[in-house]
Amino acid sequence: EDQVTQSPEALRLQEGESSSLNCSYTVSGLRGLFWYRQDPGKGPEFLFTLYSAGEEKEKERLKATLTKKESFLHITAPKPEDSATYLCAVQARSNDYKLSFGAGTTVTVRA
Amino acid sequence: DGGITQSPKYLFRKEGQNVTLSCEQNLNHDAMYWYRQDPGQGLRLIYYSQIVNDFQKGDIAEGYSVSREKKESFPLTVTSAQKNPTAFYLCASSIILGQGKETQYFGPGTRLLVL
Repeated sequence: EDQVTQSPEALRLQEGESSSLNCSYTVSGLRGLFWYRQDPGKGPEFLFTLYSAGEEKEKERLKATLTKKESFLHITAPKPEDSATYLCAVQARSNDYKLSFGAGTTVTVRA
Repeated sequence: DGGITQSPKYLFRKEGQNVTLSCEQNLNHDAMYWYRQDPGQGLRLIYYSQIVNDFQKGDIAEGYSVSREKKESFPLTVTSAQKNPTAFYLCASSIILGQGKETQYFGPGTRLLVL
């Protein structure tokens, strides 16, 4: 069974204080790893897809990296508008396009 | 504007009542999905459909039913058999390229509450 574990559960940052979120996964053949951002009461918003170890993708203050066992989402010099819950999901080659999600990391950035 | 719409935003269910959540997409996506989100848990897959008139159970299908009569629409019915229906319900859709690189895009969600 595919498993996704995100840590920490919650992260409180001062504006400008860079940090990283972790997504550890166990999957029988990774097809893709997905990062989403979710604001309270809203649907998840797609951020990145990573397909193979060593791959990196960036968007504004966010950078996602991937190894064979985990992915990191680095937030550089965060601003209050980066406050959200960040979700990680994996798709296995054998799993017919289904996603398995972690519970998320809630990030709060104080001005 | 292209996107996924879900209605209603809030839905209240009485004991023993079936309720239906609407999901419509105008992205011309082949596949559609229903997830349930509970506090402190990851999204869990209820049902998914890759083609019209066909759908498969996800991990927590008991107490739910779906239909896919049109490519654009994938309604979810929460039946009276679902004993703990209070949750945030999310609909998603994706294309199917056959290369395993499909991204799922989500709607705004429906919050279901039991009276």
